Amino acid sequence: KNEVEQSPQNLTAQEGEFITINCSYSVGISALHWLQQHPGGGIVSLFMLSSGKKKHGRLIATINIQEKHSSLHITASHPRDSAVYICAVLNYGGATNKLIFGTGTLLAVQP
Amino acid sequence: DTEVTQTPKHLVMGMTNKKSLKCEQHMGHRAMYWYKQKAKKPPELMFVYSYEKLSINESVPSRFSPECPNSSLLNLHLHALQPEDSALYLCASSQETPGYGEIYEQYFGPGTRLTVT
Repeated sequence: KNEVEQSPQNLTAQEGEFITINCSYSVGISALHWLQQHPGGGIVSLFMLSSGKKKHGRLIATINIQEKHSSLHITASHPRDSAVYICAVLNYGGATNKLIFGTGTLLAVQP
Repeated sequence: DTEVTQTPKHLVMGMTNKKSLKCEQHMGHRAMYWYKQKAKKPPELMFVYSYEKLSINESVPSRFSPECPNSSLLNLHLHALQPEDSALYLCASSQETPGYGEIYEQYFGPGTRLTVT
């Protein structure tokens, strides 16, 4: 079992829909990243959070440390939101923390 | 400036070639990272540099040789690669390498798409 699990693996939505992507993890963490990667492209950091909730534009990220769960919400989705969304946790392992990545959620928003 | 730059964007090399990937940041970050990402897979950590010293090598084959000549620049020297080394190579940086309980956000570059023929 992966230490970081994301669901769903694939998601297709219609433009304007509210989208939720979930991330569950089984290790102790210092923080959790939500990352975005467009096909063939580099990675953009959307959020880093260690508690509560953060909002940036149409994106909202929440984390429940006790339940070891985080969600990424996209309101009023748009085709340009189509990308892979990756959850990554900052896990203490030895001398330094390392990122442990989930397998990603491929989101396609259709016009 | 919150940008990490990588050159080249694309690289095609033969198995006998020697080439280098370059990564640069001007955010004053003292930690820099190399990741390898195969298609439809998450990134895999290769190396971590902290204050220009190699702090983590994730058992990477010696045909990959990292170098950190100064705090802004990170290179990855490639020699005698195999076709299975074809991947997207991502560089990232953070203010420091986080110790226990510390949090430093990683900033990623756009990557170099490497094809080994």
